[in-house]
Amino acid sequence: DTAVSQTPKYLVTQMGNDKSIKCEQNLGHDTMYWYKQDSKKFLKIMFSYNNKELIINETVPNRFSPKSPDKAHLNLHINSLELGDSAVYFCASSQEELGGKQFFGPGTRLTVL
Amino acid sequence: KQEVTQIPAALSVPEGENLVLNCSFTDSAIYNLQWFRQDPGKGLTSLLLIQSSQREQTSGRLNASLDKSSGRSTLYIAASQPGDSATYLCAAVSGGYNKLIFGAGTRLAVHP
Repeated sequence: DTAVSQTPKYLVTQMGNDKSIKCEQNLGHDTMYWYKQDSKKFLKIMFSYNNKELIINETVPNRFSPKSPDKAHLNLHINSLELGDSAVYFCASSQEELGGKQFFGPGTRLTVL
Repeated sequence: KQEVTQIPAALSVPEGENLVLNCSFTDSAIYNLQWFRQDPGKGLTSLLLIQSSQREQTSGRLNASLDKSSGRSTLYIAASQPGDSATYLCAAVSGGYNKLIFGAGTRLAVHP
């Protein structure tokens, strides 16, 4: 059973388009996250939700909008895609809001042309 | 502001060697520190998590230590195998919430 799953695995799109990445976890965790890994492989947190409430919102362009319809899902919608948005986006989840081990999804590789 | 640094950036060793990967952090007020493994094109696999009150954690051939006062953590891999080849990332949680601050990783290659 996949613990944290993301769709799609690969996403290739043109500049200016709007796209969404979906994440689901079946671990029963309360907290979910989005991280971005850039071309230099550096991972940085973008957002975190706890029980559908936004608790971490790093300095991210407002073209990025997370949405959590329920505790098991955290989607990432990106408007007006730019070349610099090309990266691998990872979803993660943890049981606790603070201190819990984080479990990561397989990542979504986004390429903006 | 927490910053995490990993040394070395890359490491190539023959099979069977014991090796140490280093991680340092600037803010000693961490909540915990987590070590991950990332294989090329894959997600992150959690290896070990050390709470701030702990000094070390062990799992099989892996041992991670934490010294908050000096701002350091080490990951010790015993009897390395080619299957250990991957990028190893350390990440610290500090401040509020469970925000992981990652280092840039150590790329490990174990050759037969």
